Amino acid sequence: DTEVTQTPKHLVMGMTNKKSLKCEQHMGHRAMYWYKQKAKKPPELMFVYSYEKLSINESVPSRFSPECPNSSLLNLHLHALQPEDSALYLCASSLLWGLAATYEQYFGPGTRLTVT
Amino acid sequence: ILNVEQSPQSLHVQEGDSTNFTCSFPSSNFYALHWYRWETAKSPEALFVMTLNGDEKKKGRISATLNTKEGYSYLYIKGSQPEDSATYLCASNTNAGKSTFGDGTTLTVKP
Repeated sequence: DTEVTQTPKHLVMGMTNKKSLKCEQHMGHRAMYWYKQKAKKPPELMFVYSYEKLSINESVPSRFSPECPNSSLLNLHLHALQPEDSALYLCASSLLWGLAATYEQYFGPGTRLTVT
Repeated sequence: ILNVEQSPQSLHVQEGDSTNFTCSFPSSNFYALHWYRWETAKSPEALFVMTLNGDEKKKGRISATLNTKEGYSYLYIKGSQPEDSATYLCASNTNAGKSTFGDGTTLTVKP
């Protein structure tokens, strides 16, 4: 199984809502990532988890709260988002992560988020 | 080069043509260069990871080269097929483990 799954595929939420994005992989990977991708722009790294510990937070606003409850699951909790947060949110995993890592990343199909 | 840059932004070729595109990246703190293929409505798919100056990788009709001293990588597709139509992304990893993606080159292969 070389698949990274993400749910939901689409999400529409108001600025006062709380919602969560879910990402799952069963490849035994110990590194998981969240990226944000705006239309016609490249994916931007948000968070990296390595062995269920947050290793990188790219100065992401606190209205985005990641969680890695186990090695197969990665969540992104959303609260009080702004319309400019509307984007495609991609999850990825790799075998390992660390300084000077070269492991290829496996991506999920993404969650298309619209904030109204 | 301060960011990862890809050129051209888009490319239209006929089936059977060979093509290539470029990824330029900062050579300072460089550790690895990744190429991905991203088809519409699908997940980005990893093609190659390269780390050493002069590295060459090949997968079927697709190959890539790496020049870390001057900070560029080329992706070549030999005998393009319609199924090669996709956006090709490169990402540069620093030795701190951070990935920066280029804007991508969108390839359209006409039958």
